[in-house]
Amino acid sequence: DIQMTQSPSSLSASVGDRVTITCRASQGIRNDLGWYQQKPGKAPKRLIYAAFSLQSEVPSRFSGSRSGTEFTLTISSLQPEDFAIYYCLQHNSYPRTFGQGTKVEIK
Amino acid sequence: QVQLQESGPGLVKPSETLSLTCSVSGGSISTYHWNWIRQPPGKGLEWIGHIFSSGSTTYNPSLRSRVTISVYTSKNQFSLKLSSVTAADTAVYYCARQVAFGDDFDIWGQGTLVTVSS
Repeated sequence: DIQMTQSPSSLSASVGDRVTITCRASQGIRNDLGWYQQKPGKAPKRLIYAAFSLQSEVPSRFSGSRSGTEFTLTISSLQPEDFAIYYCLQHNSYPRTFGQGTKVEIK
Repeated sequence: QVQLQESGPGLVKPSETLSLTCSVSGGSISTYHWNWIRQPPGKGLEWIGHIFSSGSTTYNPSLRSRVTISVYTSKNQFSLKLSSVTAADTAVYYCARQVAFGDDFDIWGQGTLVTVSS
């Protein structure tokens, strides 16, 4: 199985801050990575697919990047509605595996 | 637009079989891939398995011996059966769509909580 190591597990930030979340894959997964946002009591919502592509209707402050097996989700200017848990998902091989999640909290 | 809705018992006894159905509305179940994912309370996400509309399946090896996923194209539904459940199977169960074999999950159901308890 491909292991996805996500960091940090949690972070505190203020509205307007730039936030970065990282996922490292245990082996090469090309660009087969998605980023999801989950709010309490709700299903995950896809933000980024194929490592870089912004899901339609997702604000442009969200972006994805890749360096080798390390993937990054960046929120350029954190908004109140962005406080949530974020997960990465590799879809390069089966079984699909998720990162452990990053909880973004209000400072 | 396409919507997914999970349904099934919210309470299952230990050692029994958990059965859930995902109903697809607003589009056809054909030509797409369909997944089950679960999330224990307060924990992360675990992929359970996948089925193509033709009926071919792929399961998580950690659950393979207990999982069966089936598709019912005439009803625009697919299902999950998980046998010999224990308290560790208590989770919110989500169904999700996957456009192609190599893709991730673009549309999710709202999820349904299944509690395993006597």
